[in-house]
Amino acid sequence: EAGVVQSPRYKIIEKKQPVAFWCNPISGHNTLYWYLQNLGQGPELLIRYENEEAVDDSQLPKDRFSAERLKGVDSTLKIQPAELGDSAVYLCASSAGLGTDTQYFGPGTRLTVL
Amino acid sequence: TQLLKQSPQFLSIQEGENLTVYCNSSSVFSSLQWYRQEPGEGPVLLVTVVTGGEVKKLKRLTFQFGDARKDSSLHITAAQPGDTGLYLCAGPRDSNYQLIWGAGTKLIIKP
Repeated sequence: EAGVVQSPRYKIIEKKQPVAFWCNPISGHNTLYWYLQNLGQGPELLIRYENEEAVDDSQLPKDRFSAERLKGVDSTLKIQPAELGDSAVYLCASSAGLGTDTQYFGPGTRLTVL
Repeated sequence: TQLLKQSPQFLSIQEGENLTVYCNSSSVFSSLQWYRQEPGEGPVLLVTVVTGGEVKKLKRLTFQFGDARKDSSLHITAAQPGDTGLYLCAGPRDSNYQLIWGAGTKLIIKP
C-alpha cells in the first residue's frame, strides 16, 4: 500500500513569491493534516480536513496561507506571498479517523525562502 | 494549557550504551504516542500508551506511561546507529482531536 505522497520534496524561492505544496493521502483516509515543522522542533498543526471540510484551521495564517482538499482526496497548501520566516518543512499526514488514530506522515516538503 | 516537554533536547552516545528520554507534562493525557523521525522523512509512530503505569516493549525499546498519565519515558537498551533520529512524543488535546507535540529529543548513536 502506498504511503502519503508529497511533492515537491524541496523548494527554493525568493521572498514574496508564491509556492504550492501537494499531498496525496493514503487511500481511504478521510482525515488529512498539514503541519509545519521547524528544525529541531515538533510538528505544528496548520489545518485539518475531514473529507473535504476544513474542521480545524485556527492556526493557519490566513492572510498568506490557503489550503484546499477538493473531492476529499488530494490537498494543496499555498503560500502567497512567501516570507523569510516561512522556511520550514511542511508535512502532510493522513489518518483513517479522528483523535488518537494513527497518523501516517509523508516525507515533507522542505521550503527555503531567500 | 496542555504542553509536552521532552528531555534531553539532544543526546549523543556510543553504540551499545543504554539511554532514557522523557516526555513530561503538568496535564493529564488520555494517551501518549511516541514517534521516530529520521532526517528527510516524516515521523513514524512507534507506540501508543493508554493506561497509567503501562509498559510496552518494542524489541530494544521500552515505553512507560506514568501512573498519573502525565509523563512517559522511552528506554533504549544497547543502542545501535539505526536508532539515530528525532524522538517525538504527542498526546491528544482535551478540547478537540488535535495532537499536542513535544519538541523532540535528537538522538545520535555513534558507531
